[in-house]
Amino acid sequence: QQQVKQSPQSLIVQKGGIPIINCAYENTAFDYFPWYQQFPGKGPALLIAIRPDVSEKKEGRFTISFNKSAKQFSLHIMDSQPGDSATYFCAASMEGGYQKVTFGTGTKLQVIP
Amino acid sequence: NAGVTQTPKFRVLKTGQSMTLLCAQDMNHEYMYWYRQDPGMGLRLIHYSVGEGTTAKGEVPDGYNVSRLKKQNFLLGLESAAPSQTSVYFCASSYGSTRVQETQYFGPGTRLLVL
Repeated sequence: QQQVKQSPQSLIVQKGGIPIINCAYENTAFDYFPWYQQFPGKGPALLIAIRPDVSEKKEGRFTISFNKSAKQFSLHIMDSQPGDSATYFCAASMEGGYQKVTFGTGTKLQVIP
Repeated sequence: NAGVTQTPKFRVLKTGQSMTLLCAQDMNHEYMYWYRQDPGMGLRLIHYSVGEGTTAKGEVPDGYNVSRLKKQNFLLGLESAAPSQTSVYFCASSYGSTRVQETQYFGPGTRLLVL
């Protein structure tokens, strides 16, 4: 049973555009929501993360928006660049145990010049 | 500081053959994980370890075994490979805390093709 639903599956934007990737979760026990970025042939790497006590977090051109009541969160990439072309995974985890992370299915982003 | 390394990078197996994937980390992390990545399915946890000598099952453990004899190494074994195990396998590690959400550091992956 998939606990984190991610959309869209793929996305093509022009350089300078603002791609938006959306995720929704069901388990209200989740309390940490990281995004991972994966370039072709590489492993995923942490990009940015948010806790549910804030509604927005920015790091450079990357912003997470979080809506706790709707159980949704999204990633926005401002002024997107061809170098941002990668697969993005949202994820969710909860405190305790072995740091189990539930990943979304991924969004393949292509930024064209 | 190499981080997380995986051996081999690519392997082709015939159905029924066995193999072991090796993961090594030099960050002195307590927790280690094995995931498989399949198109449209994201990353799914196979097995994990919370310390040397300990292992536990994840979401999709069937057909795999693991061992963690040394803190820095986590081995994933396929005793009798099946075509359904064709995938990209990622190892990850993290510091190891039950209280603080922490980053998982991933290796570069092993691409496995089972014919």
